Amino acid sequence: DAKTTQPTSMDCAEGRAANLPCNHSTISGNEYVYWYRQIHSQGPQYIIHGLKNNETNEMASLIITEDRKSSTLILPHATLRDTAVYYCIVRVESGYSTLTFGKGTMLLVSP
Amino acid sequence: EAQVTQNPRYLITVTGKKLTVTCSQNMNHEYMSWYRQDPGLGLRQIYYSMNVEVTDKGDVPEGYKVSRKEKRNFPLILESPSPNQTSLYFCASNRLAGNNEQFFGPGTRLTVL
Repeated sequence: DAKTTQPTSMDCAEGRAANLPCNHSTISGNEYVYWYRQIHSQGPQYIIHGLKNNETNEMASLIITEDRKSSTLILPHATLRDTAVYYCIVRVESGYSTLTFGKGTMLLVSP
Repeated sequence: EAQVTQNPRYLITVTGKKLTVTCSQNMNHEYMSWYRQDPGLGLRQIYYSMNVEVTDKGDVPEGYKVSRKEKRNFPLILESPSPNQTSLYFCASNRLAGNNEQFFGPGTRLTVL
């Protein structure tokens, strides 16, 4: 699986959009970009994933650049409960493929 | 409610005393796995199973055993726990088809004295 690079930490004001970047310059053509988050000491939670088109669900939006070398997870209206570590993971879309978690980005949402 | 459950949630034990952490999922998922999480090292996979009676080693299998006799259950066994197995453990499951969203349990915090 391709490696990813994320900022160590980010801050966001409550109610504002949180934009979390991820670089994955060595991504392969069949690899997807997945995002998970982990609220303190809880089990990680799936957020969203995509291949090359932008994706949106009830939790977030995922913007992938045309060359697929980077992506941005957008939480449109961050709340205090969105404070968590966010992991960007690149992997093939296969149930057999292991999730490899890096260090992620610690997002702190403040009042 | 679709979920992965783990028991116990917290456990303090002593070196060498065999223990089992149970994991169960109610989503009929084929794939199940165990991770441990340690400060500075992130989440690392211990063992995984692609279906009943099919298990394989992950990145850090030493000191652990697993079994998959039923589709819903995937217990983690520590035959002779040691202090370096003090960690936060997560069980996870997912379907083999579709988007493979992995569902995680709430975690088991294990301390080995």
